[in-house]
Amino acid sequence: DAGVIQSPRHEVTEMGQEVTLRCKPISGHDYLFWYRQTMMRGLELLIYFNNNVPIDDSGMPEDRFSAKMPNASFSTLKIQPSEPRDSAVYFCASSSHGQGGANVLTFGAGSRLTVL
Amino acid sequence: RKEVEQDPGPFNVPEGATVAFNCTYSNSASQSFFWYRQDCRKEPKLLMSVYSSGNEDGRFTAQLNRASQYISLLIRDSKLSDSATYLCVVKRRSQFYFGTGTSLTVIP
Repeated sequence: DAGVIQSPRHEVTEMGQEVTLRCKPISGHDYLFWYRQTMMRGLELLIYFNNNVPIDDSGMPEDRFSAKMPNASFSTLKIQPSEPRDSAVYFCASSSHGQGGANVLTFGAGSRLTVL
Repeated sequence: RKEVEQDPGPFNVPEGATVAFNCTYSNSASQSFFWYRQDCRKEPKLLMSVYSSGNEDGRFTAQLNRASQYISLLIRDSKLSDSATYLCVVKRRSQFYFGTGTSLTVIP
């Protein structure tokens, strides 16, 4: 299994630019989570999906952030316009909670975003 | 009140030492419990699940006390490679709640 795949691994952009982060969850996993990690705030849940449907987006900081999951194998997190305070590592993670599911969260390698 | 509370450390221990990490959770309806390990500039990875009966994986022992809402991780015979941040994780319904992590450095 290839695991959770995220791209890009690193992104450096200028304030005001649009940023799109991508995630491919583990095949068969029915939950997908987007987290943000900074030294100051630790790991924060931004949004999660179940069967491609957003369930809880209360962690999304503001309207500049949006996330979609058009199908079971792909999700995006978009920041428009980006600001320096958005600089962080963004992790995508997936899990399977159904019967027989491992009930364990598996993370991608993360996308390190720097906004200048 | 935070869902999961951990002592952030740092813990600096010599090789071969035994070290214990503790964690408390606030919601008694929490269903599943885990320890994750995160190396510097890497993603968190599952170290072990935690069960009420206690479980062991080599040098690592995890315990859960549901009555006290308390989770622990014991590392015996510490190795240099154990240096990392250890995250206590609690699952309730569909969501995973993370502690802030405990930093461990094993010193030669």
